[in-house]
Amino acid sequence: NAGVTQTPKFQVLKTGQSMTLQCAQDMNHEYMSWYRQDPGMGLRLIHYSVGAGITDQGEVPNGYNVSRSTTEDFPLRLLSAAPSQTSVYFCLSGSRTLNTEAFFGQGTRLTVV
Amino acid sequence: AQKVTQAQTEISVVEKEDVTLDCVYETRDTTYYLFWYKQPPSGELVFLIRRNSFDEQNEISGRYSWNFQKSTSSFNFTITASQVVDSAVYFCALSLTNTGNQFYFGTGTSLTVIP
Repeated sequence: NAGVTQTPKFQVLKTGQSMTLQCAQDMNHEYMSWYRQDPGMGLRLIHYSVGAGITDQGEVPNGYNVSRSTTEDFPLRLLSAAPSQTSVYFCLSGSRTLNTEAFFGQGTRLTVV
Repeated sequence: AQKVTQAQTEISVVEKEDVTLDCVYETRDTTYYLFWYKQPPSGELVFLIRRNSFDEQNEISGRYSWNFQKSTSSFNFTITASQVVDSAVYFCALSLTNTGNQFYFGTGTSLTVIP
């Protein structure tokens, strides 16, 4: 999707390991958010940000940390991975001022064993 | 609180049949936005439509059409003359902002179009 880059695309972690999922956008969007997608549950909001320096919790924040030190980047950190965090993760970027659609990243498939 | 319900988990149709995907939403806000996304087997999320709560006009885009009814809190999606390429998971979502910060997604409807 245009302008939203998620890395990595695939990752396997062992229980207890830590990692950071990266999300970067080059559209100067104020809004960024993270979702996880699990079978039969749709996409659920983990954390979101309305601008640099501002973050807040979504529906399922436990086990995840975020920060927004720049407008462009919104990394999602797993401090101690658990099998329950096996999921597909999507980053979303949107403009607060422009009447345009929001853009999803391509997704990160994470497996915790 | 916001909630989106897609009661149809899986639907199968034969090619060229019409199919309607249901979406029912709940919100106490008077300003909100409704979306449909398509997720093909490749996994990306493809934006299909956005509709705000003040615009109940139905919309048609090629073989796709959307019926928004505030009286029943529904935003249904119809595919006319379905094709195999329409096979995907379709998500309905609600947001309180037009650019979709903080989406509330339904659980999705998996559509299979049989040739």
